[in-house]
Amino acid sequence: DTEVTQTPKHLVMGMTNKKSLKCEQHMGHRAMYWYKQKAKKPPELMFVYSYEKLSINESVPSRFSPECPNSSLLNLHLHALQPEDSALYLCASSPGTSGQETQYFGPGTRLLVL
Amino acid sequence: GENVEQHPSTLSVQEGDSAVIKCTYSDSASNYFPWYKQELGKGPQLIIDIRSNVGEKKDQRIAVTLNKTAKHFSLHITETQPEDSAVYFCAASNGDSWGKLQFGAGTQVVVTP
Repeated sequence: DTEVTQTPKHLVMGMTNKKSLKCEQHMGHRAMYWYKQKAKKPPELMFVYSYEKLSINESVPSRFSPECPNSSLLNLHLHALQPEDSALYLCASSPGTSGQETQYFGPGTRLLVL
Repeated sequence: GENVEQHPSTLSVQEGDSAVIKCTYSDSASNYFPWYKQELGKGPQLIIDIRSNVGEKKDQRIAVTLNKTAKHFSLHITETQPEDSAVYFCAASNGDSWGKLQFGAGTQVVVTP
């Protein structure tokens, strides 16, 4: 199984809502990532988890809260988002974080904040 | 930090012709260079990657070349087909920052039949 799955595929939320994005992989990878991608732009790294511990937070606003319950799951909790947070949210995983390891991306969750 | 520049931003080719996308990087410590293809509505998919201990790598119609001295690497697609139409991103990693990839801005490739 070489797949990263993400749910939901699409999400519409108001600025006062709380929602969560879910990511799952069963490749035995020990590193997982959240990226944000705006239209016609490259993915921007948000968070990196290595062995279920947060290793990188790219100065992401606290309205985004990541969680790694176990080595196969990664969540992104959303609260009080702004319309400018509308984007494609991508999850990725890699065997480790040595810097030469392939990152495998999921299909993304397209988020619209009204 | 690392900076990756990618050219061209758009590329139109006739089916059967070759396509070349070029990227330059700034950090001489970078040692891993993946290429991703992203189709509309999908996540990026790795198509080929190269590590700094090799100069060229080929996989069927796709090849990547790396010039460490000049700090640039290129993607070559031969015998292009309509299904090659997508956005292509190059990226670089120096192995120091928890696998952090620095992406280029992307190239929109359109293959016309």
